[in-house]
Amino acid sequence: NAGVTQTPKFQVLKTGQSMTLQCAQDMNHEYMSWYRQDPGMGLRLIHYSVGAGITDQGEVPNGYNVSRSTTEDFPLRLLSAAPSQTSVYFCASSLQETGELFFGEGSRLTVL
Amino acid sequence: AQKVTQAQTEISVVEKEDVTLDCVYETRDTTYYLFWYKQPPSGELVFLIRRNSFDEQNEISGRYSWNFQKSTSSFNFTITASQVVDSAVYFCALTIGDYKLSFGAGTTVTVRA
Repeated sequence: NAGVTQTPKFQVLKTGQSMTLQCAQDMNHEYMSWYRQDPGMGLRLIHYSVGAGITDQGEVPNGYNVSRSTTEDFPLRLLSAAPSQTSVYFCASSLQETGELFFGEGSRLTVL
Repeated sequence: AQKVTQAQTEISVVEKEDVTLDCVYETRDTTYYLFWYKQPPSGELVFLIRRNSFDEQNEISGRYSWNFQKSTSSFNFTITASQVVDSAVYFCALTIGDYKLSFGAGTTVTVRA
C-alpha cells in the first residue's frame, strides 16, 4: 500500500519555465489537496478537490493550476514559475472533509 | 476565517524534560476539528491526533498528552520525558469541515541528549 506518492522529490526550474508536480493516491480517497510549506508560515492550502472533476481554490492559488480527471491523481501545474514559488509542496488525501490528512513525502522546488 | 497561532517558534530541552507546545485557535464556528502533526527532520508529516469541538476530554497516548480548553480556545500538546526522537517541527491545525485545514506556523522542538 503506497499511500500518497509525489514526484519529483526535487526540482530546479528557471523563472518562466513550466512544470507539473504529480500526486497519486491508492486509498480511494475522494478528497485531495496541495499545500506549500514555507519557513515560519506553516502549510498553506493551494488547491483542493472533493472528487473527480471537482476542484476549488485554497488560500494561495495564484500561479497554480490543478485538474482531477480520476480519483487517484491530482497534478499541480506551474505554468510560468516565479522565484516566489520556491517552496516545499505537499500533496494530501483524506477520506472525509474532517478527517486525518495523509501526506505525500513532499517535493522541494527551487525557482532561480 | 480560521486562524491558528503557535506562539513558540523554537523550544530546546534536555532529554527527559517535559515540554508543552501551545496552540491557540480562532473560529466563529461551533463545530470544528483540531489536529496535531509532527514533521521529523526527514520531512514527512505524521498525524498525531484529531479532536472535535464537542469532545473536551484530555487525551493521553504514551508520552504524549493533549489539553483541549474551549474556554481559552487552546489545544496544547505535552511531551512527557522527552527523547531525542521527539525532535521535530510540530504543527497545530484547524478545520470547520470545509475541506480546508488551517495550520499554525509550527514549533521546532529540539531535544538534546
